[in-house]
Amino acid sequence: DIQMTQSPSSLSASVGDRVTITCRASQGISNYLAWFQQKPGKAPKSLIYAASSLQSGVPSKFSGSGSGTDFTLTISSLQPEDFATYYCQQYNSYPYSFGQGTKLEIK
Amino acid sequence: QLQLQESGPGLVKPSETLSLTCTVSGGSISSSSYYWGWIRQPPGKGLEWIGSIYYSGSTYYNPSLKSRVTISVDTSKNQFSLKLSSVTAADTAVYYCARKKPSRITIFGAADYYYMDVWGKGTTVTVSS
Repeated sequence: DIQMTQSPSSLSASVGDRVTITCRASQGISNYLAWFQQKPGKAPKSLIYAASSLQSGVPSKFSGSGSGTDFTLTISSLQPEDFATYYCQQYNSYPYSFGQGTKLEIK
Repeated sequence: QLQLQESGPGLVKPSETLSLTCTVSGGSISSSSYYWGWIRQPPGKGLEWIGSIYYSGSTYYNPSLKSRVTISVDTSKNQFSLKLSSVTAADTAVYYCARKKPSRITIFGAADYYYMDVWGKGTTVTVSS
């Protein structure tokens, strides 16, 4: 099975900041990686698929990059609504697996 | 606009079977373009993929749950379902259903590498006597 590791586990930032979250796969997954945003009490929301493709309706302040084993999610110009938990997930092979999550908090 | 809605008992006794249904509206579950899946999240923890199904009935399960999981589809009702047997307190979680969309179309027109693009709101299931 493929293990997904995110870093950091938590992150404090201010409104207007730019932040980057890292996700590493235990083996190569090409670009078959998705990113999700989850707010408390809500379902995850798809942000990015295929490592760097923006899901329809998601603002361009979210961007993803990477291939193979190392991936990043960057959020620019943080706004209050962006403070949430972010998960990466590989869909290169079954069983699908998620990172442990990165909680983005307001400083 | 596609919507998914989970339904089922919120409380299940230990050793019994958890049964949930996901009703799809605003689209057809019989579309050959998509797979459908179940994911769960224990309280305060991360996400765990349970399994997926195609409208034809083809399934994929997480090996960690495979001996206890059955996912089925009812195209006449535009629904798919999850059954998890012999539950324990460790199965207490929010259960989500989701649509899986292909992220790649090959030069031959085949779709593959599916990601979860639309999620239901989730339903909380507690296992307790």
